[in-house]
Amino acid sequence: AQSVAQPEDQVNVAEGNPLTVKCTYSVSGNPYLFWYVQYPNRGLQFLLKYITGDNLVKGSYGFEAEFNKSQTSFHLKKPSALVSDSALYFCAVRDPLNYGGSQGNLIFGKGTKLSVKP
Amino acid sequence: NAGVTQTPKFQVLKTGQSMTLQCAQDMNHNSMYWYRQDPGMGLRLIYYSASEGTTDKGEVPNGYNVSRLNKREFSLRLESAAPSQTSVYFCASSEHGHNYGYTFGSGTRLTVV
Repeated sequence: AQSVAQPEDQVNVAEGNPLTVKCTYSVSGNPYLFWYVQYPNRGLQFLLKYITGDNLVKGSYGFEAEFNKSQTSFHLKKPSALVSDSALYFCAVRDPLNYGGSQGNLIFGKGTKLSVKP
Repeated sequence: NAGVTQTPKFQVLKTGQSMTLQCAQDMNHNSMYWYRQDPGMGLRLIYYSASEGTTDKGEVPNGYNVSRLNKREFSLRLESAAPSQTSVYFCASSEHGHNYGYTFGSGTRLTVV
């Protein structure tokens, strides 16, 4: 069965420092991976996705994520954090080999709260 | 381009009351979804509709019903609200195909007292 884990409930970083939000996954085939961000009292917004190709994917707001097949990870990164990056971040996975019916739905992690302090 | 529109944004219900949460998308997406978000629980899928005319249960369907009225609209109904249904509800839509992500609405914050 497909699954995704975000091992940290909260990540705290100082403004200007690099940030990493971790995500690991489990699928039977090659995964399709997504990151979403949720600002307070808002819906989830798409940040970036990995489908195929380069393992380093660049997305919105200066974020990037690195796909690591051997470690089954897709960690979200940003070289220099901003206070405005403070939000809830969700990783999601889909296994295209199981596409169809409920197996085709995105599976979301429980989210990681990122707090960036000035 | 409005994307996914949810109404209402806020609602307070008394236990036992009924209500319908509305969702509409203008992106011609085939698939639509209803999630609830609770602290520490992440997003949990209530129901989804892979295409117009079809609906299926998700992870937590009990106490809810849905209607895919047409390709644009997917409503969620609470027939007899309970305090355990106090949550933030999100509607989402997506194009058909496994490389597509979801577009989310801004949510409905529901409180059942």
